[in-house]
Amino acid sequence: DGGITQSPKYLFRKEGQNVTLSCEQNLNHDAMYWYRQDPGQGLRLIYYSQIVNDFQKGDIAEGYSVSREKKESFPLTVTSAQKNPTAFYLCASSPGQGDYEQFFGPGTRLTVL
Amino acid sequence: GENVEQHPSTLSVQEGDSAVIKCTYSDSASNYFPWYKQELGKRPQLIIDIRSNVGEKKDQRIAVTLNKTAKHFSLHITETQPEDSAVYFCADLTGTYKYIFGTGTRLKVLA
Repeated sequence: DGGITQSPKYLFRKEGQNVTLSCEQNLNHDAMYWYRQDPGQGLRLIYYSQIVNDFQKGDIAEGYSVSREKKESFPLTVTSAQKNPTAFYLCASSPGQGDYEQFFGPGTRLTVL
Repeated sequence: GENVEQHPSTLSVQEGDSAVIKCTYSDSASNYFPWYKQELGKRPQLIIDIRSNVGEKKDQRIAVTLNKTAKHFSLHITETQPEDSAVYFCADLTGTYKYIFGTGTRLKVLA
């Protein structure tokens, strides 16, 4: 399953609280991604990063923030501005430089009460 | 904007029959088309992919075909088995790093 990890597997938070989801990879991949998956839905891109200290908004970035201070790490913060944060969050990485295959982490299921 | 349409949303086949899932993309610059299999509660796993300079690729019972003129690509699974039951997602790569996913097809293989 590659070397990409996410923690925790399940996360519960009260409405109005910010929460940070962890994503780490030891694959030496340049690119990292965050997706959101709702029941019966496809994967929607939240943010992606091609290189350290750089990232771009995906299709549903509102209410989320990210940082890429290290190549191995791409944490996602779900802020209180995200109106419907309960979902399954998947992190992924790809080598870059013409090698396109994405490797996914095991996911974090966030439930906001 | 960029999008990928995937059909059908659900597909039931008898064990041993073939299954075909089709995706249509909008960005003519798309150059990479992966297919993922996702079992319930698990991460998506790449099962096959194709680049825009190739028309067909096969790996045992799985094949993918690409029609660049019509902007569609299809997943073909032959001799289906119960363990093929899962949700399948297509995707395309627009530019160098941005992937757009289809909405998924739930495949049920009936024993």
